[in-house]
Amino acid sequence: AQSVSQHNHHVILSEAASLELGCNYSYGGTVNLFWYVQYPGQHLQLLLKYFSGDPLVKGIKGFEAEFIKSKFSFNLRKPSVQWSDTAEYFCAVNAGRDDKIIFGKGTRLHILP
Amino acid sequence: SQTIHQWPATLVQPVGSPLSLECTVEGTSNPNLYWYRQAAGRGLQLLFYSVGIGQISSEVPQNLSASRPQDRQFILSSKKLLLSDSGFYLCAWGFSSGNTIYFGEGSWLTVV
Repeated sequence: AQSVSQHNHHVILSEAASLELGCNYSYGGTVNLFWYVQYPGQHLQLLLKYFSGDPLVKGIKGFEAEFIKSKFSFNLRKPSVQWSDTAEYFCAVNAGRDDKIIFGKGTRLHILP
Repeated sequence: SQTIHQWPATLVQPVGSPLSLECTVEGTSNPNLYWYRQAAGRGLQLLFYSVGIGQISSEVPQNLSASRPQDRQFILSSKKLLLSDSGFYLCAWGFSSGNTIYFGEGSWLTVV
């Protein structure tokens, strides 16, 4: 069965620091990969996605993620975080083009001003 | 454009009472529909999904059930709530299998 593992449950950074959130999935075939974000008091929204093509995908608000097939990873990065990036981030996978989208447990990111 | 509505937004129910959470999607037809539960430290747990009217797939055996009586309507139910059913329930929809899904505002359920 497909699964998603997010390595960091809580991350605290200062503004302008660089960010990398880890995400690994378990499935050997074709995958669609997603990062969603939930800002305080708001509903979940899509940050970026990978379906095919260039493994480095860019999303909203300066975020990017790199799909490394050999490592089964889809890590989220941002070179310089802002206080407004404080949120919970979820990695998700759809494996084999089936109907399910499975989410990780999330990473709570807190940016110190 | 497409919109998703979920209600009620908050609900406090006694143990043993029934539950009905409703979700509707507007602006599209034959969407994939999903129910997730979000709990602290456990992320988003997929409960049910549906690819068409009357077609329900269950991911986690539990005290809940789902139904899809109409194309754009997805209902989460329980006959008798347990304390452990408390949580934040999210409905989501997508155009097709494997594609991006879009979430509703969520429903807070507290079982007392």
